[in-house]
Amino acid sequence: DAKTTQPNSMESNEEEPVHLPCNHSTISGTDYIHWYRQLPSQGPEYVIHGLTSNVNNRMASLAIAEDRKSSTLILHRATLRDAAVYYCGDNQAGTALIFGKGTTLSVSS
Amino acid sequence: NAGVMQNPRHLVRRRGQEARLRCSPMKGHSHVYWYRQLPEEGLKFMVYLQKENIIDESGMPKERFSAEFPKEGPSILRIQQVVRGDSAAYFCASSNGANYGYTFGSGTRLTVV
Repeated sequence: DAKTTQPNSMESNEEEPVHLPCNHSTISGTDYIHWYRQLPSQGPEYVIHGLTSNVNNRMASLAIAEDRKSSTLILHRATLRDAAVYYCGDNQAGTALIFGKGTTLSVSS
Repeated sequence: NAGVMQNPRHLVRRRGQEARLRCSPMKGHSHVYWYRQLPEEGLKFMVYLQKENIIDESGMPKERFSAEFPKEGPSILRIQQVVRGDSAAYFCASSNGANYGYTFGSGTRLTVV
């Protein structure tokens, strides 16, 4: 079975960087790594995804380990609006994304 | 661009009834995925479909649950003879393919009474 693990919760202060870790113990060479976030009573929102090298977009950066068994989502300056549940996942053998159980990020002012 | 449209947003069914959940993918997307989220839990994969084909249904319960994505019209997740344990939020997502980012809908919250 797919095994994607992440911490249950993390805390941050406003305007500080946040590094959210994820382990992808069963990932294979062609599986993409994805990150999404979810606010209460809403659908998940796409954040970023990548295959091997580090990726950047307007929302965040994604750092992928050389062996691809771990990834880190980086929010460069946390805001109160970044408080959410963050899900990492990878698509097993090119099929659908299997997610971890999510990390609840709290941001304090 | 309306995004992924799911309806209804809320659905109440009595035990033993049928629930039909609809999902219209983003324009141009031909890959649809269904996920279930129990209260206070994460996203559990159910089924992956392309037009008229089921690609992966490894997360679907063996009985009472079925899904389709016809050539014309929305994808349908059907739950027959609902039980209280089926109460959950059901999310649909669509993409351009397995290696592309997903766009999720707002979900259907099913309550079985």
